[in-house]
Amino acid sequence: DSGVTQTPKHLITATGQRVTLRCSPRSGDLSVYWYQQSLDQGLQFLIQYYNGEERAKGNILERFSAQQFPDLHSELNLSSLELGDSALYFCASSGGSKNIQYFGAGTRLSVL
Amino acid sequence: ILNVEQSPQSLHVQEGDSTNFTCSFPSSNFYALHWYRWETAKSPEALFVMTLNGDEKKKGRISATLNTKEGYSYLYIKGSQPEDSATYLCASRAGDYKLSFGAGTTVTVRA
Repeated sequence: DSGVTQTPKHLITATGQRVTLRCSPRSGDLSVYWYQQSLDQGLQFLIQYYNGEERAKGNILERFSAQQFPDLHSELNLSSLELGDSALYFCASSGGSKNIQYFGAGTRLSVL
Repeated sequence: ILNVEQSPQSLHVQEGDSTNFTCSFPSSNFYALHWYRWETAKSPEALFVMTLNGDEKKKGRISATLNTKEGYSYLYIKGSQPEDSATYLCASRAGDYKLSFGAGTTVTVRA
């Protein structure tokens, strides 16, 4: 168990809908990262938050947004969903100088 | 986005044999190289973080080396066991905070 909790584990929704994925980092970790893994793709970095502030941005679509709350949990909001958004979404957290990232179990999103 | 490449994409190893595979990354503005182990139906788990040229890390039968000047890292598995079957991901970090992951090398150990 990495200590990173993601909910829900599975999400099935329809095109055009909006969903929210939630992540609770390991106790004490200030950084939260979001990744997307689509079929036959590697892990694609989406966005990073550090202590409530956005720190780095990757290939995140404008339809997607994220935030980190004062209690350090984070949410990834996906809107106007398309079939191609179906993927496994991972959250990771880190806290030390080595930036070792600890991954949650992921949320599998299926857009039908 | 850094171009991190791993080869081969997959390999099969007989139990007891040793194997190794490569991660290549841009050497400019290098900060750190991470290796993760990703078992099916689980989440990626950190193996090593290396920062210095010539670094070697070891964890049990798994070890890794780093060459930052030429931009590559090798991961070695000695005496492969079925429980070593997994996808091994490398990720490079440049001067910013992002980790750029390779597509992984999937190792299957045959009993």
